[in-house]
Amino acid sequence: SQQGEEDPQALSIQEGENATMNCSYKTSINNLQWYRQNSGRGLVHLILIRSNEREKHSGRLRVTLDTSKKSSSLLITASRAADTASYFCAAQGYSTLTFGKGTMLLVSP
Amino acid sequence: EAGVVQSPRYKIIEKKQPVAFWCNPISGHNTLYWYRQNLGQGPELLIRYENEEAVDDSQLPKDRFSAERLKGVDSTLKIQPAELGDSAVYLCASSLGGTQYFGPGTRLLVL
Repeated sequence: SQQGEEDPQALSIQEGENATMNCSYKTSINNLQWYRQNSGRGLVHLILIRSNEREKHSGRLRVTLDTSKKSSSLLITASRAADTASYFCAAQGYSTLTFGKGTMLLVSP
Repeated sequence: EAGVVQSPRYKIIEKKQPVAFWCNPISGHNTLYWYRQNLGQGPELLIRYENEEAVDDSQLPKDRFSAERLKGVDSTLKIQPAELGDSAVYLCASSLGGTQYFGPGTRLLVL
């Protein structure tokens, strides 16, 4: 069963705009991870935030985690056409990674 | 360093036929995972190996699916017989106790 649920299901923006995706999960976690998947390709790990962290940055990515609400958000700043992909959050308990259904992001030039 | 290698990339078969997928993890990664990803969904874990031992196969449909990881390196996932509902992308991933690295997947279409 899927643990994470992303919101929105799809997002369409212009280049240069920011994109925000949200994720909710159900059970206790050790960490929360975000992955990107381009059409027809495998998943690429973007960023990991531990359960005792509240915010993390990596380049144009900013991730927040609120364990009291069991939610996380991924912000992509100054988006580019190459950011067009599906983005998945994945909640990790002891060892198992449980993915959400993903947000499809379309960045138009 | 080479990533996770999977083959074939695409497979089309008729229902009731057998099919096998192969995965070569990143060198030195002791943990190997098989996931299934249905269209419009996130990946779902089928089985996890620690070296050659299957430590989590609770989501593997054991009536028709089987997997092996001989010598704790390469792994094979088999479906016999395949059903229409098995059409999906089968992803392999490996890790060394941390981040999971995914292969490109095998896209299976069962007709």
